[in-house]
Amino acid sequence: LAKTTQPISMDSYEGQEVNITCSHNNIATNDYITWYQQFPSQGPRFIIQGYKTKVTNEVASLFIPADRKSSTLSLPRVSLSDTAVYYCLVGPERAGGGADGLTFGKGTHLIIQP
Amino acid sequence: DVKVTQSSRYLVKRTGEKVFLECVQDMDHENMFWYRQDPGLGLRLIYFSYDVKMKEKGDIPEGYSVSREKKERFSLILESASTNQTSMYLCASSFSDPSRSLAKNIQYFGAGTRLSVL
Repeated sequence: LAKTTQPISMDSYEGQEVNITCSHNNIATNDYITWYQQFPSQGPRFIIQGYKTKVTNEVASLFIPADRKSSTLSLPRVSLSDTAVYYCLVGPERAGGGADGLTFGKGTHLIIQP
Repeated sequence: DVKVTQSSRYLVKRTGEKVFLECVQDMDHENMFWYRQDPGLGLRLIYFSYDVKMKEKGDIPEGYSVSREKKERFSLILESASTNQTSMYLCASSFSDPSRSLAKNIQYFGAGTRLSVL
């Protein structure tokens, strides 16, 4: 089971680009990298997922180097409403029958200031 | 839109009481999960179920049991509540077949139940 390491907290300012890096040195060949966002008093919600190279959607970009031992979530031009906890998860394609990829950990608390 | 509904947002119980936390999902998901979230500890998996009447222990199952009699409903049971079970409890669900989801193993969460055991 791939263990992930990410910073406990980060600060930034409105309008800046924010990059949160997650280390997963023992990622397996069939593992995907998934990021979730959690606002206070809400459950986490899916942001983005990738396997290799770069993935972009309307919310964020995910950069994965060739060795896949780390990944970087990039939030362009953040606003105050991006203040949240961000979780990086690594796990295989199927959750049925096993708990692989279900370790959320402590996440990164991102605080955006005016 | 996927909806995962937890029966209560806030719950206050006494030590020793039997407590039921209910979760219902409307997306025909095979997998359902119960987590607890505590300051400084993040989300920790208590139990999950991959089919009706099937369950597997997560990282912290002690003091909890679960029930899944119907596909859409997953209950977390505290047989005898204790003060160290005061926490935020989160339910989630997901497809077992990744081809049915826009990404692999996405979990959809409810809003959570904040349980206080006095």
